[in-house]
Amino acid sequence: QSALTQPASVSGSPGQSITISCTGTSSDVGSYNLVSWYQQHPGKAPQLIIYEGAKRPSGVSSRFSGSKSGNTASLTISGLQPGDEGDYYCCSYVTGSTYVFGSGTTLTVL
Amino acid sequence: QVQLVQSGAEVMQPGASVKVSCKASGYTFTNSAIHWVRQAPGQRLEWMGWINTNLGTTKFSPKFQGRVTITRDTSATTAYMELSSLTSEDTAIYYCAKLGGTYFHYWGQGTPVTVSS
Repeated sequence: QSALTQPASVSGSPGQSITISCTGTSSDVGSYNLVSWYQQHPGKAPQLIIYEGAKRPSGVSSRFSGSKSGNTASLTISGLQPGDEGDYYCCSYVTGSTYVFGSGTTLTVL
Repeated sequence: QVQLVQSGAEVMQPGASVKVSCKASGYTFTNSAIHWVRQAPGQRLEWMGWINTNLGTTKFSPKFQGRVTITRDTSATTAYMELSSLTSEDTAIYYCAKLGGTYFHYWGQGTPVTVSS
């Protein structure tokens, strides 16, 4: 059960938009619209920001959006803010009632 | 409000077992599965397994199969994760998380486990 593939790092200036990709296989990302995304700040527990591919939990900014095409899911953050800095992880349901996380992406706001 | 409160930090000898607890409150315990996720220092999140808190059935990542046990006490609304045959590679923060549908909606605060002789 290999980790989903994410870029190690992305960066952007305040106000810009960035996109983080999450590539899996036909057994996980490609088969289900069940990718979730988590934001993690240093020393803190992860926080859910997107679920079921594109849905936002209550309280999460509309600047965060999700999508999927084939075996790749994507997280887009628009209007970058300094507080968006941190690590981002995707996670997918996998056939057989298991789960797999992505390799993680560190976002730097320049 | 939903809360998951985990037990405190542990320092273990190589070869030992560690048991981490996760006390749930603010919802009906048996209505949602509890999952366990770990994160080694500077590393990614790693899914370990989960328990159906109603039936007590479990499912594990192949990586941990045979070495991890997940149980629950419904009267105490608490889930437990026990990891055996510890090595230094098991040094990590261990999180419990409540499943909401097919995503991890609420997380415990994390339990640091250090394996060192």
